[in-house]
Amino acid sequence: QVQLVQSGAEVKKPGASVKVSCKASGYTFTSYDINWVRQATGQGLEWMGWMNPNNGDTGFAQKFQGRVTMTRDTSINTAYMELSSLSSEDTAVYYCGRLGPIRAAAKSFDPWGQGTLVTVSS
Amino acid sequence: DIQMTQSPSSLSASVGDRVTITCRASQGISNYLAWFQQKPGKAPKSLIYAASSLQSGVPSKFSGSGSGTDFTLTISSLQPEDFATYYCLQYNGYPLTFGGGTKVEIK
Repeated sequence: QVQLVQSGAEVKKPGASVKVSCKASGYTFTSYDINWVRQATGQGLEWMGWMNPNNGDTGFAQKFQGRVTMTRDTSINTAYMELSSLSSEDTAVYYCGRLGPIRAAAKSFDPWGQGTLVTVSS
Repeated sequence: DIQMTQSPSSLSASVGDRVTITCRASQGISNYLAWFQQKPGKAPKSLIYAASSLQSGVPSKFSGSGSGTDFTLTISSLQPEDFATYYCLQYNGYPLTFGGGTKVEIK
């Protein structure tokens, strides 16, 4: 079945970086964008950015520009999101989600990864 | 950026009630709208895409409608497993934007 499986929880100190992985299975990895969304405890969903796994094109929400990197390894069908200069405000659950198919008129945002809790604490 | 205004932010309803949640886009987004259900401690689950298409495996008590700027999610007969938070998402173009969420609670 189609699924996205994310890496495990992370604890980081302020100023550090974190890299979260999202392994895709059950579909053609390069045919769907991968999006990243985060959610702080008790808060709503916040879109961070997207990546086209076919060509590596990316785009980010303004607030994360310069601090986020999204990459992929097509040999293992895995997307990565790296966030640098962490502060306590980055403590959240980070999700990846599949959007597409890329060239389709009717796209869906499904499935989501299970989420990765990133805790930033000194 | 396109802003999504979702209402209400919370509602109380009884089992068997018909529930409607709305999302309004700050500019036209055609039908590039999705709805998600999220339960505590879980990832969001896709319910509706392209404004009115039911995601595979989602029960038909969920339905979506709308186009342009105004959209609705309807739950025809609320069941205990439907108490959750619901979000809309516009994907007309990047950046994507979510509505603020609607928490559906038991009356």
